[in-house]
Amino acid sequence: GENVEQHPSTLSVQEGDSAVIKCTYSDSASNYFPWYKQELGKGPQLIIDIRSNVGEKKDQRIAVTLNKTAKHFSLHITETQPEDSAVYFCAPHNTNAGKSTFGDGTTLTVKP
Amino acid sequence: GAGVSQTPSNKVTEKGKYVELRCDPISGHTALYWYRQSLGQGPEFLIYFQGTGAADDSGLPNDRFFAVRPEGSVSTLKIQRTERGDSAVYLCASSLTGPSVTDTQYFGPGTRLTVL
Repeated sequence: GENVEQHPSTLSVQEGDSAVIKCTYSDSASNYFPWYKQELGKGPQLIIDIRSNVGEKKDQRIAVTLNKTAKHFSLHITETQPEDSAVYFCAPHNTNAGKSTFGDGTTLTVKP
Repeated sequence: GAGVSQTPSNKVTEKGKYVELRCDPISGHTALYWYRQSLGQGPEFLIYFQGTGAADDSGLPNDRFFAVRPEGSVSTLKIQRTERGDSAVYLCASSLTGPSVTDTQYFGPGTRLTVL
């Protein structure tokens, strides 16, 4: 099965700084790379995703970069705000296999 | 519009009892997923339905766990002879078509199960 690792497990930044979270995976057949945000007491919510034929995607303050050769992808958040504080999960996915494998999460704290 | 809903939000039971957890997906979504999330970990896949049938149940930990989706909409996760190790948040998600690079999973808030 897919082995997924996220680093760091916790990240604390000052408001306005950037945050970067890295996800490494083992299945070279993975072709879909989403990032989810989970707030306390809620289910995960998709915030950005990228497909295997694209190297980078940006949506306002959030971006995802993919390196398929090295089997890792990263979440970048710029100009962080306190409401960005949450747990972030990557879930690299081989859509032909059906199921997703989630990382163990990164707890991001943005200090005002 | 309405998102994925799960009931109950919290369930406390005693070891050895039987529990049912319900998931109401977004209307029109053909795919439905169950996950289990333990404290400090990411969601762990349990089972995935395409319509009424279980397309992949490889994540169910043992035969005490069973899930149904008889009419292709609402799903029930059933756990027999509960054990303390079953305590976790059980998450349900639905998507429009099923696993693909263009399909998005929408998660419910989860049911927190505590087995005493």
